[in-house]
Amino acid sequence: DVKVTQSSRYLVKRTGEKVFLECVQDMDHENMFWYRQDPGLGLRLIYFSYDVKMKEKGDIPEGYSVSREKKERFSLILESASTNQTSMYLCATSSPPGGPVEQYFGPGTRLTVT
Amino acid sequence: AQSVAQPEDQVNVAEGNPLTVKCTYSVSGNPYLFWYVQYPNRGLQFLLKYITGDNLVKGSYGFEAEFNKSQTSFHLKKPSALVSDSALYFCAVRDRNSGNTPLVFGKGTRLSVIA
Repeated sequence: DVKVTQSSRYLVKRTGEKVFLECVQDMDHENMFWYRQDPGLGLRLIYFSYDVKMKEKGDIPEGYSVSREKKERFSLILESASTNQTSMYLCATSSPPGGPVEQYFGPGTRLTVT
Repeated sequence: AQSVAQPEDQVNVAEGNPLTVKCTYSVSGNPYLFWYVQYPNRGLQFLLKYITGDNLVKGSYGFEAEFNKSQTSFHLKKPSALVSDSALYFCAVRDRNSGNTPLVFGKGTRLSVIA
């Protein structure tokens, strides 16, 4: 079974703090994704990565950056957290590239910025 | 561009009754289609997918979905609902010709099964 873990289930940060959300997968998947989930808006793609050290912007990249130094780890960074970044953050992975493959999701991190 | 619409924010059904959660899609070519379920404070779990062939796809927990190309729909169904089916359901699509692109998700439909 694919296992996708996220560093925290719940996180509370203050406005202006730098926040790191970590995602680790154990199945050697090439693709990794970060989404945020908000009521009424569904899942919105922030960033994704097809390989180590590469990244692609999703639909809502503003205020976020990512890092993928190793294949199994994909980090989401909030450079200066703001209250409008309070949300549920979901990491996902998939393999092989392209084709009819589903994405596997982690349990999510519920971030509150005060 | 790819998109998915889930026209109902909420679906209520009595336990034991059949349930349907609706999904329509838009792609330029032919689609790969997916359904996911999310229980409270959890990540998304894969239920089933349509690739090609038989229009009726069977998945986990007794769910199935019917692909209808002419109506561009992929509705999720279950013959007899359980209270434990109460959750948030997401439909997703990827155009077959879009290469290695992420899935595009709908906004979700909350299913409530009442005992």
